[in-house]
Amino acid sequence: NAGVTQTPKFRVLKTGQSMTLLCAQDMNHEYMYWYRQDPGMGLRLIHYSVGEGTTAKGEVPDGYNVSRLKKQNFLLGLESAAPSQTSVYFCASSIDWGETQYFGPGTRLLVL
Amino acid sequence: RKEVEQDPGPFNVPEGATVAFNCTYSNSASQSFFWYRQDCRKEPKLLMSVYSSGNEDGRFTAQLNRASQYISLLIRDSKLSDSATYLCVVTRNDYKLSFGAGTTVTVRA
Repeated sequence: NAGVTQTPKFRVLKTGQSMTLLCAQDMNHEYMYWYRQDPGMGLRLIHYSVGEGTTAKGEVPDGYNVSRLKKQNFLLGLESAAPSQTSVYFCASSIDWGETQYFGPGTRLLVL
Repeated sequence: RKEVEQDPGPFNVPEGATVAFNCTYSNSASQSFFWYRQDCRKEPKLLMSVYSSGNEDGRFTAQLNRASQYISLLIRDSKLSDSATYLCVVTRNDYKLSFGAGTTVTVRA
């Protein structure tokens, strides 16, 4: 039982490049979330999903896209990376809204 | 005004001491409340949920004050291993949730 996993763990991009972050969970959770964490700002919700095939915007969705084609996977895409997207990205899942969230280990992204 | 605010600290306390800190929230429609613990360069992990009547888990006590719109966390008999950043999370039923920026606690020998 791996819980929530994220790939890659670390990535360096140049401005304008694209990439996809993968999140996978094996707990059969309906809800999945993508956050970014920046110093002094706490975690901010980028996008979330309430079930397979659904996505919704969070607090800071601009510059990101997501997909949830399979219940266990939640992908976060950056189409054209910007230095402002340098951050630590965490994925999480929960059985329901307002319930305990289980986090992945994070992806550190540096955009030059 | 931020949805959720925490005193960033740091709270620097000796082993065995009691430390307490709050998290204030701005929306009275908030429904669920949690404390998470985050170690340096690691992911957040649930410490405890916060129930209306208050709840305790070993050395940790969480309280909710709806009238004044804050939750609190108290750590008794602090251990070195309690050194971490403590994040509060507040959720609403309209699919809004907010994390506080965290309170850093350092327990010294």
